[in-house]
Amino acid sequence: EVQLVESGGALVQPGGSLRLSCAASGFTFNHYWIHWLRRGPEKGLEWVSRINMDGTSPAYADSVRGRFTISRDNAKNTVFLQMNSLRVDDTAMYYCARESVGDFDYWGQGALVTVSS
Amino acid sequence: SYVLTQPPSVSVAPGQTARLACGGDKIGIESVHWYQQKPGQAPLLIIYDNTDRPSGIPERISGSNSGNTATLTISRVEAGDEADYFCQVWYSTSDQPWVFGGGTRLTVL
Repeated sequence: EVQLVESGGALVQPGGSLRLSCAASGFTFNHYWIHWLRRGPEKGLEWVSRINMDGTSPAYADSVRGRFTISRDNAKNTVFLQMNSLRVDDTAMYYCARESVGDFDYWGQGALVTVSS
Repeated sequence: SYVLTQPPSVSVAPGQTARLACGGDKIGIESVHWYQQKPGQAPLLIIYDNTDRPSGIPERISGSNSGNTATLTISRVEAGDEADYFCQVWYSTSDQPWVFGGGTRLTVL
C-alpha cells in the first residue's frame, strides 16, 4: 500500500524556520518525483516545490523561491522541505504528493504550518 | 502563466447531475486532472488525463475536455459528494507547470 506521511508542522513566528518531512512507503521511492503542495485557509491548492528522482533538480514556486529548500534521502525514503523566513501568508496545510506523469496520484494527510506572532 | 478558472460554488439536489467547469485557453489540448477534497482530508485524484478514473472511483464520476472548457460530471449526486473540487493541468511550456484552478465547492441541497 502506498503511503506518504508528513511530519514537522508547528506554530512558528514570522521570520522563523521549520523543516517538514515526508516519509514514503509501499512503492519504489527513487522512481518518482515528489512534490510539496499547500492549501491555505479559505484558499485553493497551490503547488510549492518538487524534486526529481535523484534529487539533483529541485524546482520552486515563485512565492517560495529563495526561502524554501527541497531535498530527499533515497536511502531513507524521505523528502524534506526546509522553510526559512516564514511569512504569515505561508500559513497552510502542507501536503507531500507523488507525481504520476503530470498528476498527483497519492497524497499524504498533511502537516499544519501556522505562522503567527 | 496558465490560468484555470472554476466557479466558486455549485449546488445540486440529491439524485441530480452536477457539472463542474474548468476554463482555460485551449484547455482542450491539455490533459486535465480532477481532485476531490473533503473537510479534514487530503485531496483525492478522481479523474486523470481528462476521462480516466483511478481504481475505486465510481463510474458516475466522469470527465470531458474540449475547446476552452473541461467538465467534471457527477451523476446521481449523493450527500457524500459534498466537497471541494479542483482541476489541474501540467502546462509544459511553463517553468512552474503544475497549475490548479481555484476550486469549486459542491453543495448537496
